[in-house]
Amino acid sequence: AQSVAQPEDQVNVAEGNPLTVKCTYSVSGNPYLFWYVQYPNRGLQFLLKYITGDNLVKGSYGFEAEFNKSQTSFHLKKPSALVSDSALYFCAVRPLQAGTALIFGKGTTLSVSS
Amino acid sequence: GAGVSQSPRYKVAKRGQDVALRCDPISGHVSLFWYQQALGQGPEFLTYFQNEAQLDKSGLPSDRFFAERPEGSVSTLKIQRTQQEDSAVYLCASSHGTSGKTDTQYFGPGTRLTVL
Repeated sequence: AQSVAQPEDQVNVAEGNPLTVKCTYSVSGNPYLFWYVQYPNRGLQFLLKYITGDNLVKGSYGFEAEFNKSQTSFHLKKPSALVSDSALYFCAVRPLQAGTALIFGKGTTLSVSS
Repeated sequence: GAGVSQSPRYKVAKRGQDVALRCDPISGHVSLFWYQQALGQGPEFLTYFQNEAQLDKSGLPSDRFFAERPEGSVSTLKIQRTQQEDSAVYLCASSHGTSGKTDTQYFGPGTRLTVL
């Protein structure tokens, strides 16, 4: 079955420190990969996506993600966390051979302390 | 233009009632998606439209769920005879192109449905 795993329910970091939110996937073939962020009572906001090309993708608000085909991972990173980054983060994949639907992970809550 | 909008933002229904949830996609966006997000979970795909054509409804959980997009713009998700397990946030997303696979999906704020 095709799936996305976000192994950490919650990640805690101090403001100014680097952050990593992990994502691994299990799909047949090469997928398209996405990260979204969700603030309370708001919809999902697009951060970045990997389609092809450079394995390091840069996105909104200083976030970046690295596609690692051998480890089937797409971890979200930021060099210096802000308190305002505190939110719920979702990794999503769209298998190449499947339809147009996104398959989401369960989400990781990022908490940045001042 | 403006982002994806959804109405109502909150809906409380008694078990057995019918509900209708509305989605206004970004102007000019061809593709429209509905997802269901249960508490503490990631969104799960329900159905997909390209213009007015419903190309994929594989995620609809039962025949009580029905979606339409008659003029290729606004979409309505209808749930008949609501059950408690239907309680969730219903998210609508739209994307610009027809390929679907590489396009970014832009999400609305969702409708939180509570079935009592």
